[in-house]
Amino acid sequence: AQKVTQAQTEISVVEKEDVTLDCVYETRDTTYYLFWYKQPPSGELVFLIRRNSFDEQNEISGRYSWNFQKSTSSFNFTITASQVVDSAVYFCAPDMDTGRRALTFGSGTRLQVQP
Amino acid sequence: DGGITQSPKYLFRKEGQNVTLSCEQNLNHDAMYWYRQDPGQGLRLIYYSQIVNDFQKGDIAEGYSVSREKKESFPLTVTSAQKNPTAFYLCASSILPRVRQPQHFGDGTRLSIL
Repeated sequence: AQKVTQAQTEISVVEKEDVTLDCVYETRDTTYYLFWYKQPPSGELVFLIRRNSFDEQNEISGRYSWNFQKSTSSFNFTITASQVVDSAVYFCAPDMDTGRRALTFGSGTRLQVQP
Repeated sequence: DGGITQSPKYLFRKEGQNVTLSCEQNLNHDAMYWYRQDPGQGLRLIYYSQIVNDFQKGDIAEGYSVSREKKESFPLTVTSAQKNPTAFYLCASSILPRVRQPQHFGDGTRLSIL
């Protein structure tokens, strides 16, 4: 069975601090994709990044960076110099090669960035 | 602009009543999904459809029904059999190539019991 663990329920930081959101998943699949989504207070989910299980190169996009470690089944997300607008719930969501092609969501990490 | 439209934004259900949540997309996506989100939790898959006139149950399909008569539309009916329908419902769509594409989400419908 697939399982996603986002152990941090809620994180509170002060603006300009760096923050890392953890994601650990379980799968028996050798081929899969991993996604991160952001859910601001308005409720919609915003796609942030997609990684495939073949590519372990870390990625940086502006203030966002991702650290994918296949050996430890982790896909962590770091926000550098956090801003108040980063306050949201962040979801890690693996898309395993089950043929179902639907995401398995973690329970999310609520990030509060204080001014 | 292309996107996914969910309506209504807020919906109230009376005891024993069926209600239907609308989801329309103009992205020409093949696949559509319905998720349920309870407070403080992640999203759980209710139903999904990869092609017109075909749909599959997700993890929590009991008490729900769907139809996919048109590519752009995937309405969800919350039936009276769903005893705890209060939740935030999100519709999503995606292309289905060999490479996984991200799902695009609507703004959601918040359903409450009267």
